[in-house]
Amino acid sequence: DTAVSQTPKYLVTQMGNDKSIKCEQNLGHDTMYWYKQDSKKFLKIMFSYNNKELIINETVPNRFSPKSPDKAHLNLHINSLELGDSAVYFCASSLPGTSVDEQYFGPGTRLTVT
Amino acid sequence: GEDVEQSLFLSVREGDSSVINCTYTDSSSTYLYWYKQEPGAGLQLLTYIFSNMDMKQDQRLTVLLNKKDKHLSLRIADTQTGDSAIYFCAETPNYGGATNKLIFGTGTLLAVQP
Repeated sequence: DTAVSQTPKYLVTQMGNDKSIKCEQNLGHDTMYWYKQDSKKFLKIMFSYNNKELIINETVPNRFSPKSPDKAHLNLHINSLELGDSAVYFCASSLPGTSVDEQYFGPGTRLTVT
Repeated sequence: GEDVEQSLFLSVREGDSSVINCTYTDSSSTYLYWYKQEPGAGLQLLTYIFSNMDMKQDQRLTVLLNKKDKHLSLRIADTQTGDSAIYFCAETPNYGGATNKLIFGTGTLLAVQP
């Protein structure tokens, strides 16, 4: 069973379009995250939710809107896609309060904006 | 600032030891982590060290922490071709809240030559 899953794995779209990426975790974790990895492999946090509540928003343009319908899901909707949005987006989950708070990552969604 | 620096590339021969270095910025980080990213995959926690420790050994992995210099290293003994991946160090400057933001290093690509 996949612990953290993302759909789609690949997404190719044109500038100006709106798209969504979905993430689900079956680990029973309270906290979920979105990270962006650019073409140079730099990895940076975008958002974090705890029990459906937004905790971290790292100065991400408001074209990006995360939504957490329940604590097992965290979706990412992107409006008016730009070329610079091309990246790999990783979802992760964790259970803060455990001693190490290991974050479990999904396989990533490679977004290409043309 | 939140810049966590790593050397970009390391090439070793199979059977040799690999040492990957990281310089972090936030002395308040409770845990420091090493994550591994294999090609086309998400990140996986490899090992971690608590901030009041100097060294941690876990089978072929040895983590050294120099808090004074904010320097973290990962040594992989008897490096195998399966160790080829990108290695990220990470710190948690606000550990203990409802969510723990990972600040990742720039990543080191380890290439193991047979």
